[in-house]
Amino acid sequence: EIVLMQSPGTLSLSPGERATLSCRASQSVNSNFLAWYQQKPGQAPRLLMYAASSRATGIPDRISGSGSGTDFTLTISRLEPEDFAVYYCQQYGSSPWTFGQGTKVEIK
Amino acid sequence: QVQLQESGPGLVKPSQTLSLTCTVSGGSISSGRYYWSWIRQHPGKGLEWIGYISYSGRTYYNPSLQSRVTISLDTSKNQFSLKLSSATAADTAVYYCARSGIVVVLFDYWGQGSLVTVSS
Repeated sequence: EIVLMQSPGTLSLSPGERATLSCRASQSVNSNFLAWYQQKPGQAPRLLMYAASSRATGIPDRISGSGSGTDFTLTISRLEPEDFAVYYCQQYGSSPWTFGQGTKVEIK
Repeated sequence: QVQLQESGPGLVKPSQTLSLTCTVSGGSISSGRYYWSWIRQHPGKGLEWIGYISYSGRTYYNPSLQSRVTISLDTSKNQFSLKLSSATAADTAVYYCARSGIVVVLFDYWGQGSLVTVSS
């Protein structure tokens, strides 16, 4: 099973600032099959990115993903109020499909 | 627009079987293009994929839960269900049902989640 480790646990930033979230895998993720989800309190996760760097439908271009192998990054170039949430990475390159423990982006 | 809705008891006694149903609307569960999954989230924690079922009834479970999990399909009601036997307090979580593709297991539609507490 691939273990995904996300850092930092919490990111305290102000609107307009840049957010950089990390997801590190315990072994290489096949075909860079790495996704990112956003979850707000009381809501289900929402798919943001897939294949490490492709945006899901309706996701603004201030949100981007990068990385390969075992190291992946989600970047939000300028934080908007609606971006403050918890973010999870998920690998779907090999079963069982696993998630990271999450990074909370909170308002400073 | 596809919608998923979980339903079932919010409280289960230890050693009993946790049972949940997911009703799918806006699309047929019999479509061969999707897998139908259960995912859970322990309070304040990350996400854990439990297992999926295909339109034909083929299942695949997370090895960590495989001995206790059964996922089944009722195409006449456009529903799929989860049973988790021998429940303990460690199974207390929000349970989500979700849809994914079959080529790549990305979860694009989710239910709103159902909190199940295991307690006497």
